Amino acid sequence: KQEVTQIPAALSVPEGENLVLNCSFTDSAIYNLQWFRQDPGKGLTSLLLIQSSQREQTSGRLNASLDKSSGRSTLYIAASQPGDSATYLCAVRPRNSGYSTLTFGKGTMLLVSP
Amino acid sequence: DAGITQSPRYKITETGRQVTLMCHQTWSHSYMFWYRQDLGHGLRLIYYSAAADITDKGEVPDGYVVSRSKTENFPLTLESATRSQTSVYFCASTGTSGTLDEQYFGPGTRLTVT
Repeated sequence: KQEVTQIPAALSVPEGENLVLNCSFTDSAIYNLQWFRQDPGKGLTSLLLIQSSQREQTSGRLNASLDKSSGRSTLYIAASQPGDSATYLCAVRPRNSGYSTLTFGKGTMLLVSP
Repeated sequence: DAGITQSPRYKITETGRQVTLMCHQTWSHSYMFWYRQDLGHGLRLIYYSAAADITDKGEVPDGYVVSRSKTENFPLTLESATRSQTSVYFCASTGTSGTLDEQYFGPGTRLTVT
């Protein structure tokens, strides 16, 4: 059974720092990996989607990498801002028979202080 | 409104009552999903649907019923609500290629069973 782990569970940084969030998964047989952001009391917002054949994706100050063979992904946030404070979730879409759905990590709660 | 919507956003019900959570998407996505989010468990899949009239169980289906008579709607019914079903429920959808597309989430329904 696919398991997704996110480390650290919580992170607090001062504004302006570059930071890395980590995601690991146990089974490298995946279609893709998706990073989400969740603000308190809100739904999930998709940030980046990396297909299994890709190594990284970039959107603005965000860069996500994927190393499928080692079962790891990182989300790099450059020049962090207080508005980046949220919980970041990583999810993989496993390859299996039948329909394929997302398996989520439990998230990293990020606090960026002014 | 374009996108994926859920109603109600908040619901308080009593143990034993039937309650239905609604989900509507305007993209004509084939795949739709119901998740619940609980502290300590993260997001867990309840049911999913690949198309109208095609549904299947996820990780935690007990006590829930779904239907999908129209592509755009995917209601979730708690037949006899229990306190353990107090949670935040998220509906999601993804495009026709299923395994490759991003998954988009609704804003959530916060359900309290007393």
